Amino acid sequence: EIVLTQSPGTLSLSPGERATLSCRASQFVSRSYVAWYQQKPGQAPSLLIYGASSRATGIPDRFSGSGSGTDFTLSISRLEPEDSAVYYCQQYGSSPRTFGQGTKVEIK
Amino acid sequence: QVQLQESGPGLVKPSETLSLTCTVSGTSFTNYYWSWIRQPPGKGLEWIGHIYYTGRIDYSPSFKNRVTISVDTSRDLFSLKLSSVTAADTAVYYCARLDILISDAFDVWGQGTLVTVSS
Repeated sequence: EIVLTQSPGTLSLSPGERATLSCRASQFVSRSYVAWYQQKPGQAPSLLIYGASSRATGIPDRFSGSGSGTDFTLSISRLEPEDSAVYYCQQYGSSPRTFGQGTKVEIK
Repeated sequence: QVQLQESGPGLVKPSETLSLTCTVSGTSFTNYYWSWIRQPPGKGLEWIGHIYYTGRIDYSPSFKNRVTISVDTSRDLFSLKLSSVTAADTAVYYCARLDILISDAFDVWGQGTLVTVSS
């Protein structure tokens, strides 16, 4: 089973700043099959990025993903108050599909 | 608009079987995998398993001995049964669509339903 470790645990930034979230896999993730989800309090997660760098339908270009192998990154440029959420990475290169433990983004 | 809606008891006794149903609307039931994912209170997400409309199934090894996922294509719904539950199974249970055509990710989620295991 591939274990995903996300860092930092919490990120506290001001509106307009850039957030950089890391997701490190314990093993190679084939075909960069990594997705990122955003979860706001009391809501279900929603898909942001798939295939490490492809934005899901309707996701603004402030959100971007990159990486390959074992290291993946979600970047959020020009932070807005509504970006306050927990962000999870997830790999689907091998079964079982696993999630990271999440990074909480707080907007000051 | 694609919608998924979980339903089932919110309280289950220890050692009994948790049973949930997810009703799907606004989308073809074929060409997608249908998944169950859970989230213990204050914790992260855990994939339980998924099923294709043909009945092909993949379970997480963490649940393999206790879980059954089934599908009813005539009613556009799929179900989860988790046996021998303990307090550790207390969680919000989500059903989700796994889009194997484009993203191979969970692109539509239900709102989630909290299941508490307690006597």
